[in-house]
Amino acid sequence: DAKTTQPTSMDCAEGRAANLPCNHSTISGNEYVYWYRQIHSQGPQYIIHGLKNNETNEMASLIITEDRKSSTLILPHATLRDTAVYYCIVSENTDKLIFGTGTRLQVFP
Amino acid sequence: NAGVMQNPRHLVRRRGQEARLRCSPMKGHSHVYWYRQLPEEGLKFMVYLQKENIIDESGMPKERFSAEFPKEGPSILRIQQVVRGDSAAYFCASSPPGSKAFFGQGTRLTVV
Repeated sequence: DAKTTQPTSMDCAEGRAANLPCNHSTISGNEYVYWYRQIHSQGPQYIIHGLKNNETNEMASLIITEDRKSSTLILPHATLRDTAVYYCIVSENTDKLIFGTGTRLQVFP
Repeated sequence: NAGVMQNPRHLVRRRGQEARLRCSPMKGHSHVYWYRQLPEEGLKFMVYLQKENIIDESGMPKERFSAEFPKEGPSILRIQQVVRGDSAAYFCASSPPGSKAFFGQGTRLTVV
């Protein structure tokens, strides 16, 4: 079973920041937080991952709380093409990813 | 550097036939993973392979399903005697050792 809890769905206006929360209260010390997304039945796309420090790349930022029990994925300027299902996964590596149900993000004009 | 290549993209098989799904990992990637996504469901891990070795097949159905990743050539997921319940999207991912996995665009299998 997935070790994360995410809201089922969220809406975001185009051009605004999308903040997607994830709870992972049972995360262990050597587990990373990974984010993937799946756009309309395409293959999952890697977004970002982190261990305990906040991370930023060209796609998104990842904010992990100090106790590591939750995190937030931030898409700073959402576009219509960011409409997708976003998966938060905790794992030591990507050898066996356990996907939950994710958050369905709908970006509207 | 091409991404993970899967073929065919769409495959139709009659009940009882065999389905062979191919996955060519990204260049330099020695680890391959297969996942299955049933209609309206999430992705489920099936198997993790390295060259010529099955590392973890805990998600593979016990019968009719097999996977290989030979020394040369693509990884193959083989489903024998397909049934309607095998209809799904099958995704392959690859990674270098100890790094993040990248997914292909999947093969959509339809059993009629």
